[in-house]
Amino acid sequence: AQTVTQSQPEMSVQEAETVTLSCTYDTSENNYYLFWYKQPPSRQMILVIRQEAYKQQNATENRFSVNFQKAAKSFSLKISDSQLGDTAMYFCAFMEYGNKLVFGAGTILRVKS
Amino acid sequence: SQTIHQWPATLVQPVGSPLSLECTVEGTSNPNLYWYRQAAGRGLQLLFYSVGIGQISSEVPQNLSASRPQDRQFILSSKKLLLSDSGFYLCAWSLGGGGQETQYFGPGTRLLVL
Repeated sequence: AQTVTQSQPEMSVQEAETVTLSCTYDTSENNYYLFWYKQPPSRQMILVIRQEAYKQQNATENRFSVNFQKAAKSFSLKISDSQLGDTAMYFCAFMEYGNKLVFGAGTILRVKS
Repeated sequence: SQTIHQWPATLVQPVGSPLSLECTVEGTSNPNLYWYRQAAGRGLQLLFYSVGIGQISSEVPQNLSASRPQDRQFILSSKKLLLSDSGFYLCAWSLGGGGQETQYFGPGTRLLVL
């Protein structure tokens, strides 16, 4: 079974600084998708970024970027110029065949002013 | 654009009572639909998914059930709630078909079973 591991239960960062959240996964497949979702205090899950495994180029969405290391099965999220509104729980998720998402346990990120 | 609705937003129910949570999607046709549960401080667990009307796949055996009476409506039910059913329930949709499509989530329902 696929597993997703987020080894950092909690992290904090000063406003305007950069922070990196870690994620590793386990799979024997070659084609899959990876996602980062954000869950603010409202608890709505919001898509942050998506990476296709067949693409070597790392995905970027404004201040959010990933470091995708396929051989190492690593998928970290970098948040640049952190803002107070980035405070949330961040989930890494893996999708193999079909449309089933497997989530990690999450990392709580606190942005401090 | 597509939107996804869930209701109620919050629900407090006694043990043994029935449950019905509803999810509807607007702005798309024949979506894939999903029900997830999130226990406090935990990740999401897939409960059910549906690729079409009347087609339900269960991921976790439990006292919950799901139904899809219409193309864009997904219902989560229980005949008798347990204390362990408390949690945050999220509905999600993705484009239909067998491809690996991004899932988009609704606002969720907080369920407290007393």
